[in-house]
Amino acid sequence: GAVVSQHPSRVICKSGTSVKIECRSLDFQATTMFWYRQFPKKSLMLMATSNEGSKATYEQGVEKDKFLINHASLTLSTLTVTSAHPEDSSFYICSARDGSGRALQFFGPGTRLTVL
Amino acid sequence: ILNVEQSPQSLHVQEGDSTNFTCSFPSSNFYALHWYRWETAKSPEALFVMTLNGDEKKKGRISATLNTKEGYSYLYIKGSQPEDSATYLCASTLTGNQFYFGTGTSLTVIP
Repeated sequence: GAVVSQHPSRVICKSGTSVKIECRSLDFQATTMFWYRQFPKKSLMLMATSNEGSKATYEQGVEKDKFLINHASLTLSTLTVTSAHPEDSSFYICSARDGSGRALQFFGPGTRLTVL
Repeated sequence: ILNVEQSPQSLHVQEGDSTNFTCSFPSSNFYALHWYRWETAKSPEALFVMTLNGDEKKKGRISATLNTKEGYSYLYIKGSQPEDSATYLCASTLTGNQFYFGTGTSLTVIP
C-alpha cells in the first residue's frame, strides 16, 4: 500500500517552455502533498506544501509564480515549471501524506528535468 | 533550515560484511527521525520512524538506533547483500510536517 506515482520520469525541454509534472497517490487519499527539488550532491529541499483544495505554501526563496502547484483532488497534485530556464534543471520529487495523523510521507520516484 | 548531516557520503563493502552509517541532527525541538532506502529510478522506501531517545528499530538485517540528546542516529546493516546497494537517507522533523533531509549515504555491496 501507500504507492505514489510521478509522471513523467524524465523530461527535456527548450528554454522558455513550461513543463507539468504529475504526482498521484494510487491507493490512498493524500490530504497533503509535498514537492522537493534536489540538485547534484545536495539534499532534498522542500519547495512547497499543498493541501487539497487550498493554495500551496511555498518555502522561502521559491517563486510561486514560477512553480505553480495545483492540488485539485485528494489523489493528484501537479507542479508546473513555467518559462523554464537551464538553471531549473534538477530532480523534482513529490511526496504525499494521508490523513491518518501519522507523520509519514510516501514518495514518488521523481522527475529529472533538463532544460536546454 | 535544519542542518542534517550524514556520513560517510559513500561506502563500498564486500558481500557478507556488516556496516553502519550515521545521521546527525540538531537535538533541540526534535520531533522524529526517518530513515529511507532509495534505489535508483525507484521511490524512496520508508525504513524506520523513531521518536523517543533510545529507540531501536529492526527490519530483517537492518536496524537503527536513536539518541535525541546528542542528536544522532545510526543505521546498521548486518551481513550486507548486493541487493542492499542503495542510497540511505535520513530526515529529521521538528513537527510532524516538514522533513529536513541529509544528503544520503550511497552504499555499494560488492559480490
